[in-house]
Amino acid sequence: GIQVEQSPPDLILQEGANSTLRCNFSDSVNNLQWFHQNPWGQLINLFYIPSGTKQNGRLSATTVATERYSLLYISSSQTTDSGVYFCAVEPKNDYKLSFGAGTTVTVRA
Amino acid sequence: SAVISQKPSRDICQRGTSLTIQCQVDSQVTMMFWYRQQPGQSLTLIATANQGSEATYESGFVIDKFPISRPNLTFSTLTVSNMSPEDSSIYLCSVEVLGGYYGYTFGSGTRLTVV
Repeated sequence: GIQVEQSPPDLILQEGANSTLRCNFSDSVNNLQWFHQNPWGQLINLFYIPSGTKQNGRLSATTVATERYSLLYISSSQTTDSGVYFCAVEPKNDYKLSFGAGTTVTVRA
Repeated sequence: SAVISQKPSRDICQRGTSLTIQCQVDSQVTMMFWYRQQPGQSLTLIATANQGSEATYESGFVIDKFPISRPNLTFSTLTVSNMSPEDSSIYLCSVEVLGGYYGYTFGSGTRLTVV
């Protein structure tokens, strides 16, 4: 099956700092999403981004489908940004989402 | 995008018992998906639930342990049977919103602890 690799596995930030999370995938995809899992376990959909660039407030994401990677940018980080960020992809010819291992982000005040 | 109501949100259960988790979607969907997230791990797909047919299970998951019902296009249940402490996980249901730009959306999850 498709492989999804996220880096770094852990990230510690000072409040106000910027950061970039990366997701590499091993095959062509129909869909790529970024999720944020909060401390209560709820999975929040951040971006649906199979290609191109999107922005939502302090967060933005870019997917370069031809090179099989996606980046999630966090600017001016806040303590509420803490949690685990997952990249998930839906391969072509398959309807199932495959998740990366996640990046655990800790933002310190 | 679709809104999913999942319950219970958490439970503590005795080993050997069973727990049924419910997911209700505010729109009709063809497929519903059930995931397990073990402590400190990523999400793993358990099965795909189709209305009117038996669920399709992923490798490593069996119907006797995780029976699924899908009585209509807006509702599904997952039962975790004969539980052991190794079943302690977060269980989530998910649907894909077709025809839009939302992708997959998830219920709020059920945090299960087996003692």
